[in-house]
Amino acid sequence: QQPVQSPQAVILREGEDAVINCSSSKALYSVHWYRQKHGEAPVFLMILLKGGEQKGHEKISASFNEKKQQSSLYLTASQLSYSGTYFCGTEGYNDMRFGAGTRLTVKP
Amino acid sequence: EPEVTQTPSHQVTQMGQEVILRCVPISNHLYFYWYRQILGQKVEFLVSFYNNEISEKSEIFDDQFSVERPDGSNFTLKIRSTKLEDSAMYFCASNFPGQADTGELFFGEGSRLTVL
Repeated sequence: QQPVQSPQAVILREGEDAVINCSSSKALYSVHWYRQKHGEAPVFLMILLKGGEQKGHEKISASFNEKKQQSSLYLTASQLSYSGTYFCGTEGYNDMRFGAGTRLTVKP
Repeated sequence: EPEVTQTPSHQVTQMGQEVILRCVPISNHLYFYWYRQILGQKVEFLVSFYNNEISEKSEIFDDQFSVERPDGSNFTLKIRSTKLEDSAMYFCASNFPGQADTGELFFGEGSRLTVL
């Protein structure tokens, strides 16, 4: 029931781009993206409510393909502060399940 | 800014003991959740709570777990007889789906449980 994320880990140099994918085996009501720094609580990035929706937050954006039951998170021109573990959360009926996370490391 | 608060921040207990983790969700939120994260692993859904009853629970949430909203503000997670594998960070979260069109989950800082 939980979504599947890929890749598991990414290492980037500052300024490089990355894409994190999230897919579900069931129909999605919405997709959330969160970032977690080591030892801290997850922090909300954005939510996508409708198929075809795209949203952006600074240089982090995401898309939601409702038919394919997939979402992708795009990080462009990565900064050191982007390092952390990114989780997608898929919303079903009264629950929110998270993927296993993608560990992103941005190096100088 | 409103926030979800959790206590204790860290609890150490002996195997077999009962533990209660407390959370104060944001006051106008309607849905409350508990998640667990074993060190270095993914965030796992335990249970959601709405209208004073469990809405959804995962396979992890077995008979040793219970949740309660005793007084309209606190939201507690009780683990009856702790096991070594219950050692984890427990996150409480709340939201108000549809508010501000986001339904953003607000997480507490977490309660770290160590079972010896």
